[in-house]
Amino acid sequence: GAVVSQHPSRVICKSGTSVKIECRSLDFQATTMFWYRQFPKQSLMLMATSNEGSKATYEQGVEKDKFLINHASLTLSTLTVTSAHPEDSSFYICSARDSDGTDTQYFGPGTRLTVL
Amino acid sequence: GDSVTQMEGPVTLSEEAFLTINCTYTATGYPSLFWYVQYPGEGLQLLLKATKADDKGSNKGFEATYRKETTSFHLEKGSVQVSDSAVYFCALSSPSKLTFGKGITLSVRP
Repeated sequence: GAVVSQHPSRVICKSGTSVKIECRSLDFQATTMFWYRQFPKQSLMLMATSNEGSKATYEQGVEKDKFLINHASLTLSTLTVTSAHPEDSSFYICSARDSDGTDTQYFGPGTRLTVL
Repeated sequence: GDSVTQMEGPVTLSEEAFLTINCTYTATGYPSLFWYVQYPGEGLQLLLKATKADDKGSNKGFEATYRKETTSFHLEKGSVQVSDSAVYFCALSSPSKLTFGKGITLSVRP
């Protein structure tokens, strides 16, 4: 089946630093990837849609200068949380959309970010 | 806009009990419908999907049928196991993005 990986799985950083999270589709090419944020015991909140070779589309209320997204290849998208603060602590999950026409998204295992 | 409504949780069942998790949706057009499962500390795994009316998705003993007339996609399993304990999300494609329900926590006790 379609496999999506994320790295790192956990990261702890100091306030004010930047953190990069990678999302890779391992066995298929994904022209579109998505980044979500999940708060404890809640559903997923879509942050942005990442299209290979073009600028990401951000959801309303998501700061594009704070959450930088790059989708440089058909198998890799990155999310950089710039100048992280404790309120950015969360579980970040990426997904990659299959190209079978059904809009199926396959999700990565998630990255737990803790900002001290 | 498009939306997904899941029944309120959490749900606690004994092993081998029958499971039904209700999901209804509101959408324009003809979305694909999905059930995802999330185990503690992990991302979401696709459990099953259906892409058109009357399709039945099935996987690992779970089933759900795309009912256009009732705009529903209820998840069922005949005999749950302790290992099925997780959070279950119903979702639809609307279009190109996924709209999720709030999720429901299932706990199965031995």
